[in-house]
Amino acid sequence: AIRMTQSPSSFSASTGDRVTITCRASQGISSYLAWYQQKPGKAPKLLIYAASTLQSGVPSRFSGSGSGTDFTLTISCLQSEDFATYYCQQYYSYPPRFTFGPGTKVDIK
Amino acid sequence: EVQLVETGGGLIQPGGSLRLSCAASGFTVSSNYMSWVRQAPGKGLEWVSVIYSGGSTYYADSVKGRFTISRDNSKNTLYLQMNSLRAEDTAVYYCARDDSSSGYHLNWGQGTLVTVSS
Repeated sequence: AIRMTQSPSSFSASTGDRVTITCRASQGISSYLAWYQQKPGKAPKLLIYAASTLQSGVPSRFSGSGSGTDFTLTISCLQSEDFATYYCQQYYSYPPRFTFGPGTKVDIK
Repeated sequence: EVQLVETGGGLIQPGGSLRLSCAASGFTVSSNYMSWVRQAPGKGLEWVSVIYSGGSTYYADSVKGRFTISRDNSKNTLYLQMNSLRAEDTAVYYCARDDSSSGYHLNWGQGTLVTVSS
């Protein structure tokens, strides 16, 4: 099974900061990677798919990059509504075992 | 507008069975890949199962042989039949509409809580 890791597991940041979250796959997954945002008590929301394609309606301050085993999610200018937990997910494996990373919690400094 | 509404969660004893439903609107369930994802209290997301538009089904190793994903095209509804439930199955269960050529989750329901406890 493909294992996903994320770093850091949590951190504090301020509004206006540029933040980067890293996701690593235990084997190459090409660009079959998605990023989700989840706020407390709410369902996750798709931000990015295919490693770098922004989902419709998602603000352009979010961006994704990477391929193979190493990926990043960047928020260029953190807004108050961005404080949340972020998950990466691979959807490369066949038969499907679409594993998520453990999550990265971004809270207010 | 795409909407997904899960129902059927509740408190169930270990070894028991439960069926979750996910009523969809704004799209056709049978034309999409559809998934179940769960989240144990205070924990991360865990992919559970997917049904492809062609009817193929796949499961996480943790639920294989105990859970069954299915759909009713006439009701535009997705199901998850859960048998032999264990304490570690306690979680909020989300249904999701997936991109139909990949596995990422485009839209999510609000979730339904399943608690397995005696």
